[in-house]
Amino acid sequence: QKEVEQNSGPLSVPEGAIASLNCTYSDRVSQSFFWYRQYSGKSPELIMSIYSNGDKEDGRFTAQLNKASQYVSLLIRDSQPSDSATYLCAGDFGNEKLTFGTGTRLTIIP
Amino acid sequence: DGGITQSPKYLFRKEGQNVTLSCEQNLNHDAMYWYRQDPGQGLRLIYYSQIVNDFQKGDIAEGYSVSREKKESFPLTVTSAQKNPTAFYLCASSSSDRLTEAFFGQGTRLTVV
Repeated sequence: QKEVEQNSGPLSVPEGAIASLNCTYSDRVSQSFFWYRQYSGKSPELIMSIYSNGDKEDGRFTAQLNKASQYVSLLIRDSQPSDSATYLCAGDFGNEKLTFGTGTRLTIIP
Repeated sequence: DGGITQSPKYLFRKEGQNVTLSCEQNLNHDAMYWYRQDPGQGLRLIYYSQIVNDFQKGDIAEGYSVSREKKESFPLTVTSAQKNPTAFYLCASSSSDRLTEAFFGQGTRLTVV
């Protein structure tokens, strides 16, 4: 069973600080990972994709993938109240579908 | 505007009824997916389809049925055999060269009354 695990939170971060969201997975045969942001009552929105080891930056977001440690993270710099949402980590384990974690609820405190 | 359209946004079902949730996309995506989300939980895959006239069961297919007669459309029927259907249902699609980079519709919230 391929699993993706996240701390459900809630994670509270002061406005302007760095929010760090983490995800671990149980299968070494991982292809790529995705971070989705989901506001309350809304559908998930893809914000980052990462396909290889290392860091990938896009604006205030940085995704980090470490396949040896089976670990993927999302850093949000200069956190804003609009970043308050649930963040879902999803992995592609080569079986043509995504496996989702349960999500981490992030609250940015003004 | 390209995108994925789910309808209706809210749906109420009486016990013992079948209901069908609509999902249409104009992104020319080959693959389409149906997920279910319960409060405080992640997304669980119900069914997925990578080409027209073909689909596969996901992790929780019991009590659900789908069809894929057109590339643009992937309707989901929640049958009376699904004992706990109240949930948020999400449809997604992806292109063949980024098969698992999925984009979601706005969701349908189904409630049994």
